[in-house]
Amino acid sequence: DTAVSQTPKYLVTQMGNDKSIKCEQNLGHDTMYWYKQDSKKFLKIMFSYNNKELIINETVPNRFSPKSPDKAHLNLHINSLELGDSAVYFCASSQVSGLAGGPYYNEQFFGPGTRLTVL
Amino acid sequence: AQKVTQAQTEISVVEKEDVTLDCVYETRDTTYYLFWYKQPPSGELVFLIRRNSFDEQNEISGRYSWNFQKSTSSFNFTITASQVVDSAVYFCALRRGSTGTASKLTFGTGTRLQVTL
Repeated sequence: DTAVSQTPKYLVTQMGNDKSIKCEQNLGHDTMYWYKQDSKKFLKIMFSYNNKELIINETVPNRFSPKSPDKAHLNLHINSLELGDSAVYFCASSQVSGLAGGPYYNEQFFGPGTRLTVL
Repeated sequence: AQKVTQAQTEISVVEKEDVTLDCVYETRDTTYYLFWYKQPPSGELVFLIRRNSFDEQNEISGRYSWNFQKSTSSFNFTITASQVVDSAVYFCALRRGSTGTASKLTFGTGTRLQVTL
């Protein structure tokens, strides 16, 4: 019954390695996101996909590459990991639903997070 | 540009006290959405409430209440009769009222609430 799931929950790796984090949502939402939470708990958007199309690409090193094979999945691949990439990465999803008078933007539901530690 | 300010970095209260978490936002949009999320020590982000800019009614949900005031650009969160389980980091967030690149959430820096016995 998990709404937004991420794997793995913990990821410990060496500098220079390549790693992936997977995200899946079973809410039927059309938009998915990746956020990064640093050691000071600050949350910042990285990417967003709407119906498999990239719509948000914040100032993120191109070592980070998101991929959305379908509406329910959004994966994050990171090349040549650096110490500064250590953080918690959250996946989220949301749905724009139409109501009389215009679009109505719903809240984002977050996955449990993936704690990435680069040694 | 969108901005959310949570000036209170950390608050400590004794159980059963009432506590208010402040949130001040900045936006040039006339339509926008405000949110509160809770992050307990276990780490997940839990959605608490969404408020639309065109609806200034305050809301109460059990011990939780929210005070939205457009005149002061504030969306404050009050916990009545706090409990130890309320201990968490609370985030206020802002979303623009349009699609595409506007769909991202801009978060405040969070307020850590510690409730002790």
